[in-house]
Amino acid sequence: DGGITQSPKYLFRKEGQNVTLSCEQNLNHDAMYWYRQDPGQGLRLIYYSQIVNDFQKGDIAEGYSVSREKKESFPLTVTSAQKNPTAFYLCASSSRDRALGELFFGEGSRLTVL
Amino acid sequence: QKEVEQNSGPLSVPEGAIASLNCTYSDRGSQSFFWYRQYSGKSPELIMSIYSNGDKEDGRFTAQLNKASQYVSLLIRDSQPSDSATYLCAVKENNNDMRFGAGTRLTVKP
Repeated sequence: DGGITQSPKYLFRKEGQNVTLSCEQNLNHDAMYWYRQDPGQGLRLIYYSQIVNDFQKGDIAEGYSVSREKKESFPLTVTSAQKNPTAFYLCASSSRDRALGELFFGEGSRLTVL
Repeated sequence: QKEVEQNSGPLSVPEGAIASLNCTYSDRGSQSFFWYRQYSGKSPELIMSIYSNGDKEDGRFTAQLNKASQYVSLLIRDSQPSDSATYLCAVKENNNDMRFGAGTRLTVKP
């Protein structure tokens, strides 16, 4: 079945460590996104990519990095520079057709800093 | 700062009633509008999309869009306890960014 796979679902990190969250999609979508969600809050955009080898910062990119070497994959690295990384991280993808543009989400990765 | 605003709730309705969820947005160039449902601890799932002024119905759900007023709403008829969730309004802005509201928490009481 087509979809978006995020891993790991749960991740614990010590302060000062970098961690990488995986996101893979087989929907043949060009655009991919990373959002962060904190308890009781909406989704905030971290990074997005409309095409391979290109990506743009969202509203809260500081302390995060991404790569887009393949159409199917858009990993997110949470660096030690991110001051408050404990959150629910959601990866999404969409068609580049501006008339459509629905986002399809993975199941999310919950990161806890110990 | 472009924004999407929703009442945070909680909104509580009895089973069988109509639940009305509202959303306003600031980017006048926005063309695509979406409602997502998010159960606690889960990822959002798309339930409605709307692109032109007026109403769009899908089963018990009706989305309403008024671009002049920069307003989009979601009506849920015959509300069921299984509809209890947080509903996120999302707006695809002219630069192709998808911006989300903070969500409205809905509780349907049996």
